Amino acid sequence: DQQVKQNSPSLSVQEGRISILNCDYTNSMFDYFLWYKKYPAEGPTFLISISSIKDKNEDGRFTVFLNKSAKHLSLHIVPSQPGDSAVYFCAASGRNTNAGKSTFGDGTTLTVKP
Amino acid sequence: EAQVTQNPRYLITVTGKKLTVTCSQNMNHEYMSWYRQDPGLGLRQIYYSMNVEVTDKGDVPEGYKVSRKEKRNFPLILESPSPNQTSLYFCASSLRENNSPLHFGNGTRLTVT
Repeated sequence: DQQVKQNSPSLSVQEGRISILNCDYTNSMFDYFLWYKKYPAEGPTFLISISSIKDKNEDGRFTVFLNKSAKHLSLHIVPSQPGDSAVYFCAASGRNTNAGKSTFGDGTTLTVKP
Repeated sequence: EAQVTQNPRYLITVTGKKLTVTCSQNMNHEYMSWYRQDPGLGLRQIYYSMNVEVTDKGDVPEGYKVSRKEKRNFPLILESPSPNQTSLYFCASSLRENNSPLHFGNGTRLTVT
């Protein structure tokens, strides 16, 4: 049973527009969520996170929204830039998990067209 | 520069020939972990280590071994590789505190024929 799901394998947007990447989770024990970004031939890098005590966290062009009742989070990128083209992984961890142990989604490939 | 270094980047081997993928971090992180990435399955944890001489199984440990004799190194050992272990492998490290983000290496693409 996959506890973290990214239902859209790919997303294509025009440069300057908003990119919205979605993530759903099933385990109510998850209380911390992270987004990672991965370029080809590189490892994932941490992008932004949110604790379950918040419903929004913003860092420059990146904003993550958390809807606990729906067990849903989303990553908004505004404005999107060609350099944002990458695979984005959603990850979740919980109070009962070991440090650093996150459950990952399958990833969404974002393509930003110039 | 803070980094996680994996070697080799690419490896082609045959079934049954023992191999080791090395991983080293220079950030003095207590926590280290191995993941494999497969199409449609995301990143799945193989083994993790909370500190020196402390290791535990992740979600897909079968066919793998690890050791943590030093804080900076966390090698992944495949005693008898099989074709279903063909995958992209990532080593990661983080601080021990809960919710600390993972720092990943650049990956090792393993092919077992």
